Amino acid sequence: ETGVTQTPRHLVMGMTNKKSLKCEQHLGHNAMYWYKQSAKKPLELMFVYSLEERVENNSVPSRFSPECPNSSHLFLHLHTLQPEDSALYLCASSPGDSPGELFFGEGSRLTVL
Amino acid sequence: AQKITQTQPGMFVQEKEAVTLDCTYDTSDQSYGLFWYKQPSSGEMIFLIYQGSYDEQNATEGRYSLNFQKARKSANLVISASQLGDSAMYFCAMREINTDKLIFGTGTRLQVFP
Repeated sequence: ETGVTQTPRHLVMGMTNKKSLKCEQHLGHNAMYWYKQSAKKPLELMFVYSLEERVENNSVPSRFSPECPNSSHLFLHLHTLQPEDSALYLCASSPGDSPGELFFGEGSRLTVL
Repeated sequence: AQKITQTQPGMFVQEKEAVTLDCTYDTSDQSYGLFWYKQPSSGEMIFLIYQGSYDEQNATEGRYSLNFQKARKSANLVISASQLGDSAMYFCAMREINTDKLIFGTGTRLQVFP
């Protein structure tokens, strides 16, 4: 496998469920990101990890909990979400040096009922 | 204040014609990078082209070129010889120096018709 892979591609969950989104990159990058893409809004940066340490938490509610066990994997744990959290969640990685473009996965489409 | 502005929610272009997608940005930094990404219906964000703030020449990548006007803080994407496969959302983005953040605009939906 190459690039950035996200699973699952689609997820439907109730507000009381607990689920996780997974991201894996095979590019040897040092930085990984979670973005949220809602309809008619700019992509919102949620979290940034650099060398497995969280360097950015963009005022994200605590019902979203990221985890970066190593430089190749990034998780987004979800619990007690709200319907307005329904969106496309995009994972990305970058070499970590400036400027460095981001390489994105295909996203996980989340629907909260 | 919004840092990246894309004023065209949608654009149409005929196949084989050129099209310009507008992007203006706001920053007080002297050093920054500007990016364009394409997002087809599959959802993946595909990197197209990059322009550094100190680059004197406009960036080009195949059929893509970036019309960089620093004084006007604009970074328009020009797609030449449009193809049906170019139909997608296009996002302009900026990364300021010494930061890991890539900030996106709201995007422009391009539709190429035969």
